[in-house]
Amino acid sequence: AQSVAQPEDQVNVAEGNPLTVKCTYSVSGNPYLFWYVQYPNRGLQFLLKYITGDNLVKGSYGFEAEFNKSQTSFHLKKPSALVSDSALYFCAVRDPDGGYQKVTFGTGTKLQVIP
Amino acid sequence: DGGITQSPKYLFRKEGQNVTLSCEQNLNHDAMYWYRQDPGQGLRLIYYSQIVNDFQKGDIAEGYSVSREKKESFPLTVTSAQKNPTAFYLCASSRQGLNSNQPQHFGDGTRLSIL
Repeated sequence: AQSVAQPEDQVNVAEGNPLTVKCTYSVSGNPYLFWYVQYPNRGLQFLLKYITGDNLVKGSYGFEAEFNKSQTSFHLKKPSALVSDSALYFCAVRDPDGGYQKVTFGTGTKLQVIP
Repeated sequence: DGGITQSPKYLFRKEGQNVTLSCEQNLNHDAMYWYRQDPGQGLRLIYYSQIVNDFQKGDIAEGYSVSREKKESFPLTVTSAQKNPTAFYLCASSRQGLNSNQPQHFGDGTRLSIL
Protein backbone atom coordinates (compact mmCIF):
# COMPACT_ATOMS: atom_id res chain seq x y z
CA ALA A 1 0.00 0.00 0.00
CA GLN A 2 1.07 3.58 -0.52
CA SER A 3 0.57 6.48 1.83
CA VAL A 4 1.62 10.07 2.28
CA ALA A 5 1.77 12.22 5.39
CA GLN A 6 1.85 15.96 5.85
CA PRO A 7 2.68 16.32 9.54
CA GLU A 8 1.82 20.02 9.87
CA ASP A 9 -1.75 21.24 9.51
CA GLN A 10 -0.50 24.84 9.28
CA VAL A 11 2.81 26.59 8.67
CA ASN A 12 3.31 30.27 9.43
CA VAL A 13 6.21 32.20 7.93
CA ALA A 14 7.08 35.87 7.64
CA GLU A 15 7.17 37.43 4.19
CA GLY A 16 10.67 37.28 2.75
CA ASN A 17 11.73 34.33 4.90
CA PRO A 18 12.36 30.86 3.49
CA LEU A 19 9.51 28.38 3.76
CA THR A 20 9.33 24.60 4.04
CA VAL A 21 6.24 22.42 3.84
CA LYS A 22 6.93 18.85 4.88
CA CYS A 23 5.86 15.61 3.22
CA THR A 24 6.81 12.00 3.92
CA TYR A 25 5.69 8.97 1.98
CA SER A 26 5.54 5.20 2.09
CA VAL A 27 5.66 3.00 -1.01
CA SER A 28 6.93 -0.44 -1.88
CA GLY A 29 8.94 0.71 -4.89
CA ASN A 30 10.23 3.94 -6.37
CA PRO A 31 7.66 6.72 -6.02
CA TYR A 32 6.20 9.33 -8.29
CA LEU A 33 5.75 12.42 -6.10
CA PHE A 34 3.74 15.58 -6.75
CA TRP A 35 3.01 18.91 -5.09
CA TYR A 36 -0.19 20.87 -5.74
CA VAL A 37 -1.49 24.20 -4.43
CA GLN A 38 -5.12 25.13 -3.77
CA TYR A 39 -6.48 28.64 -3.31
CA PRO A 40 -9.85 29.14 -1.57
CA ASN A 41 -12.82 27.73 -3.50
CA ARG A 42 -10.59 26.71 -6.39
CA GLY A 43 -9.26 23.46 -7.76
CA LEU A 44 -5.72 22.17 -7.27
CA GLN A 45 -2.90 23.54 -9.39
CA PHE A 46 0.16 21.43 -10.20
CA LEU A 47 3.46 22.83 -8.88
CA LEU A 48 6.10 20.18 -9.52
CA LYS A 49 6.83 16.48 -9.66
CA TYR A 50 9.62 14.00 -9.01
CA ILE A 51 9.84 10.95 -11.25
CA THR A 52 13.53 10.13 -11.41
CA GLY A 53 16.88 11.86 -11.73
CA ASP A 54 18.03 14.90 -9.77
CA ASN A 55 16.81 14.97 -6.20
CA LEU A 56 16.16 18.73 -6.35
CA VAL A 57 13.14 19.50 -8.50
CA LYS A 58 12.23 23.02 -9.57
CA GLY A 59 8.65 24.00 -10.27
CA SER A 60 6.26 26.89 -10.77
CA TYR A 61 6.28 30.23 -8.91
CA GLY A 62 9.82 29.74 -7.55
CA PHE A 63 8.99 26.58 -5.60
CA GLU A 64 11.32 23.59 -5.42
CA ALA A 65 11.28 20.26 -3.64
CA GLU A 66 13.97 17.90 -2.46
CA PHE A 67 13.55 14.16 -2.80
CA ASN A 68 15.29 12.23 -0.02
CA LYS A 69 15.01 8.48 -0.46
CA SER A 70 16.66 7.53 2.84
CA GLN A 71 14.25 9.72 4.80
CA THR A 72 11.32 9.01 2.45
CA SER A 73 10.62 12.71 2.28
CA PHE A 74 9.72 15.24 -0.40
CA HIS A 75 9.64 18.64 1.30
CA LEU A 76 8.46 21.71 -0.60
CA LYS A 77 10.66 24.81 -0.30
CA LYS A 78 10.90 28.40 -1.42
CA PRO A 79 13.80 30.76 -0.62
CA SER A 80 11.66 33.85 -0.03
CA ALA A 81 7.96 33.64 0.82
CA LEU A 82 5.35 36.00 -0.64
CA VAL A 83 2.00 36.90 0.90
CA SER A 84 0.43 35.55 -2.29
CA ASP A 85 1.89 32.10 -1.49
CA SER A 86 -0.68 31.76 1.30
CA ALA A 87 -2.77 28.73 0.31
CA LEU A 88 -3.36 25.04 0.97
CA TYR A 89 -0.62 22.71 -0.25
CA PHE A 90 -1.04 19.04 -1.04
CA CYS A 91 1.61 16.38 -1.47
CA ALA A 92 0.67 13.29 -3.52
CA VAL A 93 2.32 9.94 -4.21
CA ARG A 94 1.97 7.07 -6.61
CA ASP A 95 3.87 3.80 -6.56
CA PRO A 96 4.15 2.67 -10.19
CA ASP A 97 5.64 -0.66 -9.12
CA GLY A 98 3.21 -1.44 -6.34
CA GLY A 99 0.24 -2.50 -8.43
CA TYR A 100 -1.84 0.24 -6.86
CA GLN A 101 -3.13 2.25 -9.78
CA LYS A 102 -4.10 5.40 -7.88
CA VAL A 103 -2.65 8.65 -6.61
CA THR A 104 -2.84 9.17 -2.85
CA PHE A 105 -3.09 12.73 -1.57
CA GLY A 106 -1.99 14.02 1.81
CA THR A 107 -4.39 15.89 4.07
CA GLY A 108 -2.93 19.25 3.14
CA THR A 109 -0.91 21.97 4.88
CA LYS A 110 -2.20 25.50 5.16
CA LEU A 111 0.58 28.00 4.53
CA GLN A 112 0.12 31.44 6.03
CA VAL A 113 2.64 34.10 4.98
CA ILE A 114 2.58 37.04 7.36
CA PRO A 115 3.28 40.51 5.94
CA ASP B 1 -7.70 28.39 -23.20
CA GLY B 2 -7.90 24.68 -22.52
CA GLY B 3 -9.15 23.52 -19.18
CA ILE B 4 -11.77 21.77 -17.10
CA THR B 5 -15.17 23.30 -16.44
CA GLN B 6 -17.30 22.19 -13.53
CA SER B 7 -20.88 23.32 -13.04
CA PRO B 8 -22.67 24.46 -11.08
CA LYS B 9 -20.33 26.10 -8.60
CA TYR B 10 -22.85 25.68 -5.77
CA LEU B 11 -25.56 23.00 -5.54
CA PHE B 12 -28.18 22.20 -2.94
CA ARG B 13 -29.77 18.79 -2.54
CA LYS B 14 -33.07 17.97 -0.94
CA GLU B 15 -33.49 14.74 0.99
CA GLY B 16 -34.23 11.80 -1.32
CA GLN B 17 -33.09 13.69 -4.40
CA ASN B 18 -30.43 12.72 -6.92
CA VAL B 19 -28.25 15.52 -8.25
CA THR B 20 -25.76 15.55 -11.13
CA LEU B 21 -22.51 17.48 -11.22
CA SER B 22 -21.13 18.39 -14.62
CA CYS B 23 -17.49 18.11 -15.70
CA GLU B 24 -16.28 19.02 -19.19
CA GLN B 25 -12.69 19.17 -20.46
CA ASN B 26 -11.20 20.43 -23.71
CA LEU B 27 -7.66 19.23 -23.04
CA ASN B 28 -8.10 16.07 -25.13
CA HIS B 29 -7.20 13.99 -22.08
CA ASP B 30 -8.13 10.33 -22.00
CA ALA B 31 -8.39 9.96 -18.23
CA MET B 32 -10.85 11.72 -15.94
CA TYR B 33 -11.43 11.53 -12.20
CA TRP B 34 -13.84 12.61 -9.46
CA TYR B 35 -12.63 13.44 -5.97
CA ARG B 36 -14.39 14.44 -2.80
CA GLN B 37 -12.70 16.96 -0.51
CA ASP B 38 -13.63 17.27 3.15
CA PRO B 39 -11.83 19.52 5.66
CA GLY B 40 -8.78 17.80 7.13
CA GLN B 41 -9.16 14.68 4.98
CA GLY B 42 -7.46 15.60 1.75
CA LEU B 43 -8.86 14.28 -1.51
CA ARG B 44 -10.59 10.93 -1.78
CA LEU B 45 -11.16 9.24 -5.14
CA ILE B 46 -14.78 8.48 -6.03
CA TYR B 47 -14.60 7.19 -9.61
CA TYR B 48 -12.16 7.32 -12.49
CA SER B 49 -12.27 6.64 -16.21
CA GLN B 50 -9.31 5.92 -18.44
CA ILE B 51 -11.21 5.68 -21.74
CA VAL B 52 -14.67 6.38 -23.12
CA ASN B 53 -17.40 3.95 -22.03
CA ASP B 54 -15.26 2.57 -19.21
CA PHE B 55 -14.91 3.60 -15.58
CA GLN B 56 -13.84 2.11 -12.25
CA LYS B 57 -14.79 2.64 -8.64
CA GLY B 58 -12.42 4.55 -6.43
CA ASP B 59 -12.13 4.40 -2.67
CA ILE B 60 -15.55 5.88 -1.80
CA ALA B 61 -17.89 5.02 -4.70
CA GLU B 62 -20.94 4.05 -2.62
CA GLY B 63 -23.83 6.41 -3.22
CA TYR B 64 -22.35 7.82 -6.42
CA SER B 65 -22.62 6.96 -10.12
CA VAL B 66 -20.88 8.18 -13.27
CA SER B 67 -20.99 7.84 -17.05
CA ARG B 68 -18.40 8.43 -19.77
CA GLU B 69 -20.22 8.58 -23.09
CA LYS B 70 -17.92 11.23 -24.55
CA LYS B 71 -14.21 11.85 -24.10
CA GLU B 72 -14.89 15.42 -23.01
CA SER B 73 -17.53 14.72 -20.38
CA PHE B 74 -17.61 12.82 -17.08
CA PRO B 75 -20.75 13.70 -15.05
CA LEU B 76 -21.13 12.56 -11.44
CA THR B 77 -24.52 11.76 -9.92
CA VAL B 78 -24.86 11.94 -6.16
CA THR B 79 -27.72 9.62 -5.33
CA SER B 80 -30.06 9.60 -2.34
CA ALA B 81 -28.07 6.61 -1.08
CA GLN B 82 -25.18 8.95 -0.23
CA LYS B 83 -26.16 9.92 3.29
CA ASN B 84 -23.46 12.53 3.84
CA PRO B 85 -23.08 14.33 0.52
CA THR B 86 -22.03 17.74 1.85
CA ALA B 87 -18.54 18.30 0.47
CA PHE B 88 -16.45 20.02 -2.19
CA TYR B 89 -16.32 17.90 -5.36
CA LEU B 90 -13.38 18.15 -7.71
CA CYS B 91 -13.10 16.81 -11.24
CA ALA B 92 -9.69 16.20 -12.79
CA SER B 93 -8.18 14.90 -16.00
CA SER B 94 -4.77 13.74 -17.16
CA ARG B 95 -3.03 12.93 -20.42
CA GLN B 96 -2.72 9.30 -19.51
CA GLY B 97 -4.42 7.18 -16.91
CA LEU B 98 -3.44 6.45 -13.37
CA ASN B 99 -0.56 4.31 -14.61
CA SER B 100 1.51 7.31 -15.60
CA ASN B 101 3.69 10.08 -14.24
CA GLN B 102 1.58 12.89 -15.65
CA PRO B 103 0.02 15.41 -13.24
CA GLN B 104 -3.70 15.87 -13.02
CA HIS B 105 -5.49 19.04 -14.10
CA PHE B 106 -8.36 20.12 -11.86
CA GLY B 107 -11.58 22.05 -12.30
CA ASP B 108 -12.66 24.70 -9.79
CA GLY B 109 -15.05 22.41 -8.00
CA THR B 110 -18.70 22.18 -7.05
CA ARG B 111 -19.75 22.76 -3.44
CA LEU B 112 -22.71 20.53 -2.58
CA SER B 113 -24.86 21.15 0.48
CA ILE B 114 -28.00 19.56 1.92
CA LEU B 115 -31.14 21.68 2.26
